[in-house]
This record gives sequence, structure tokens and C-alpha cells, in this order.
Amino acid sequence: AQTVTQSQPEMSVQEAETVTLSCTYDTSESNYYLFWYKQPPSRQMILVIRQEAYKQQNATENRFSVNFQKAAKSFSLKISDSQLGDTAMYFCAFMKHAGLGRDDKIIFGKGTRLHILP
Amino acid sequence: DTGVSQDPRHKITKRGQNVTFRCDPISEHNRLYWYRQTLGQGPEFLTYFQNEAQLEKSRLLSDRFSAERPKGSFSTLEIQRTEQGDSAMYLCASRYSGTSGKRTEQYFGPGTRLTVT
Repeated sequence: AQTVTQSQPEMSVQEAETVTLSCTYDTSESNYYLFWYKQPPSRQMILVIRQEAYKQQNATENRFSVNFQKAAKSFSLKISDSQLGDTAMYFCAFMKHAGLGRDDKIIFGKGTRLHILP
Repeated sequence: DTGVSQDPRHKITKRGQNVTFRCDPISEHNRLYWYRQTLGQGPEFLTYFQNEAQLEKSRLLSDRFSAERPKGSFSTLEIQRTEQGDSAMYLCASRYSGTSGKRTEQYFGPGTRLTVT
């Protein structure tokens, strides 16, 4: 069974600073996807960034980038030039690469609550 | 382009009552997922559908829970004889899965927050 662990329940940083959220996972699968989802207060979950395990290059999306270490099963999220709107719960998540197969449910970590301070 | 919608957004019920939630996915999405999120936790998978077929159910989905997607469009999740432990946010997500094999992400709805008193 796959597990996702986020060891930082809560973090606070000043606006414009850079912050890194940690995530480790455990799986015996060789091909899979990793995600970071953002859940703002009282708003719905949105995908921030996605990494395919077979790709060595770390994914980037504007101010968001990841550090994917496959051997260490580590997947951290870096937010550069943090903004007040980045305040949210952040979930690290795992999904098997099942092709057209059936097993494409997402397994989430417990989340890190991130506060961006003005 | 309307996103995934869920109704109601909030539901307060007394223990022992039955409740039903509805999810309307993005129109061309053939896969629909239900997750449950308790306070301070990440979402946990409950079940999912490919069109009208329910393909997988989690062990979390006790026999008091039933989900349907009768015409392959909207889905309902019913909880019978609710218990206080059922209090949670119930999230619906959808995505398109096609023969090209190209994966698309799951899009989440705003959730239905259930409080059992």
C-alpha cells in the first residue's frame, strides 16, 4: 500500500519569502504521479503542480517548483516570492500510473497549513 | 466552463437520519470520484465510477453508504442511519479518461460538509 507523509503540520512565512514544504512517500510502484494540491480556506481543492515519476526533470509552474528525489522517495514543494493568496492547506498526493486501468485513485498526505504573513 | 458542483454545500442532520448528496461533474468527464475529508486530515478515497459503472469501493465505504451514477452523469452518495463519526467534508472529483491514454487531472468540487448531531 502507498503512503504519503507530510511532517510539517503548519508553517508561517513573510510575504515575498521563499518557503519549502516537505513530503515523503512510500510505494513499491516504479511508475506513478506525484501532486501538490492547494485547498484555500473554505474553497475547493486545486492542482498546483504535477510530477511524473519517470521524468527526471523537476516540474515547475511559475513560482512553484518541486524537488523530486525518486531514490529517497522525497517530493518537496518550493514556493518563491510568496503571496498572501498562497495562504492555504497544501496536500502532497500520490497516484499510480495505471494507464487506462482502474486504479487511479489519489492518496493524500495529511497536509501542511501554510500562512503567508503581510 | 462550469466546474464540478456539489449540493448541498452544508448539511446538518441528527444521528440516525439518512442523507443524500449530489455531485454534478464536468460535462465531458466520464470518471467520477468520491472522497471524504475529516478535520485536519487529507481526503480519503471512497469510491469511483467510469460512466455508470462503480469500479472500486474503499473499505471505508461501509454498508450504510451507497453511491450511484445512474446515467453516467451526476452521482449521488447516500448515508443511511448517520453516526457522529460520519461528520466530514465529502468531496467529489471528476476527470476524462480516454483511449489516447493521456491522463487528465481530477477536478474537485467544493464539497458537502456534513455535521451529525
